Amino acid sequence: DGGITQSPKYLFRKEGQNVTLSCEQNLNHDAMYWYRQDPGQGLRLIYYSQIVNDFQKGDIAEGYSVSREKKESFPLTVTSAQKNPTAFYLCASSTSSSYNSPLHFGNGTRLTVT
Amino acid sequence: DQQVKQNSPSLSVQEGRISILNCDYTNSMFDYFLWYKKYPAEGPTFLISISSIKDKNEDGRFTVFLNKSAKHLSLHIVPSQPGDSAVYFCAARPSGNTPLVFGKGTRLSVIA
Repeated sequence: DGGITQSPKYLFRKEGQNVTLSCEQNLNHDAMYWYRQDPGQGLRLIYYSQIVNDFQKGDIAEGYSVSREKKESFPLTVTSAQKNPTAFYLCASSTSSSYNSPLHFGNGTRLTVT
Repeated sequence: DQQVKQNSPSLSVQEGRISILNCDYTNSMFDYFLWYKKYPAEGPTFLISISSIKDKNEDGRFTVFLNKSAKHLSLHIVPSQPGDSAVYFCAARPSGNTPLVFGKGTRLSVIA
């Protein structure tokens, strides 16, 4: 079955540590995205990539970094510079070939930083 | 500045009745609109979409209506079922392959 896999589902870190969230897709989608969900805030875009080796900042990129070395992988690093890292992180992908293509989401990673 | 607004954080509806979820947008360049459904601790799942050339799109129990002049869209669920209880997100984007902009969501509770 094709889909998006985010791992781990739950992640705990101490303040000051960088942490990397994994996102892998086997849908052969060109575009991949990272969103963050906080209570009452909806989904806010962190970074996105429309092609391998290229990515753009979203609305809340500060304190985060990404890489896109392979089409199927788009890992997100939450750095110690991110002031409020505790959140639910969602990875998504879509095909670039069709303009009206919906995003497909993974099941998320809940990060807790203490 | 929020470009996609869902002004009702929550909605309760009796089983079998109609659920109407509303969404307003401010960016006149938006021309593709979607609704997603999300259960706790899961990713959102795509429900239904509509492009700006239409004013209605229907898929089973779900219908989305678009009023471009009012910059308003709504999702109708008829009849509502307990399994419809979830958070519903409205999303939109302009033409071209740009990222979706999401609203803050409306939590729907369908009471048996």
